[in-house]
Amino acid sequence: KAGVTQTPRYLIKTRGQQVTLSCSPISGHRSVSWYQQTPGQGLQFLFEYFSETQRNKGNFPGRFSGRQFSNSRSEMNVSTLELGDSALYLCASSLGADAYEQYFGPGTRLTVT
Amino acid sequence: AQSVTQLDSHVSVSEGTPVLLRCNYSSSYSPSLFWYVQHPNKGLQLLLKYTSAATLVKGINGFEAEFKKSETSFHLTKPSAHMSDAAEYFCVVRVKAAGNKLTFGGGTRVLVKP
Repeated sequence: KAGVTQTPRYLIKTRGQQVTLSCSPISGHRSVSWYQQTPGQGLQFLFEYFSETQRNKGNFPGRFSGRQFSNSRSEMNVSTLELGDSALYLCASSLGADAYEQYFGPGTRLTVT
Repeated sequence: AQSVTQLDSHVSVSEGTPVLLRCNYSSSYSPSLFWYVQHPNKGLQLLLKYTSAATLVKGINGFEAEFKKSETSFHLTKPSAHMSDAAEYFCVVRVKAAGNKLTFGGGTRVLVKP
């Protein structure tokens, strides 16, 4: 079974632009969560989607948004990029809403210049 | 709210010697606890999980962890370090009331010397 895939793997954007990152969960998994990883703040929860509904949201500004499609694929969008948004964005999928195990993708490395 | 504290940001061991990574957690509810490993430029891989069954949990690659409720700890150990164990390790807590949200510790970077 294929793992979690994230595209693109690397991205360079300019301050003020917007960006969309994509995550394809493991086949059959219906829950997708997003995390931001930075050297200063570590790993922080962004949001979680289950069956196209956002179940949970972390403490990030409204510039960060996401959605989930009927095939469980998920996208996250960051508008009006700031230098501090440079990070590794990780996506994790799990079987259901309260599944114990989450499987992580390789991440998208976003650099904002 | 829940939180996780990894007591060492860096640990250096010699190959073949034991590894101990320390983790303390705080949670208002009965937590599920996990250890994940991240190799350079890779995603996170689940090493092991505690979900209120046996307090001594065995994971992959010879790692194990013991849940101690009285000490609110979940330390990770391995009897004999291998060069391939060099990576960053994260202790993670999840409470059912928060859905699938994971709360991560700050990470412990492990260096293995030959």
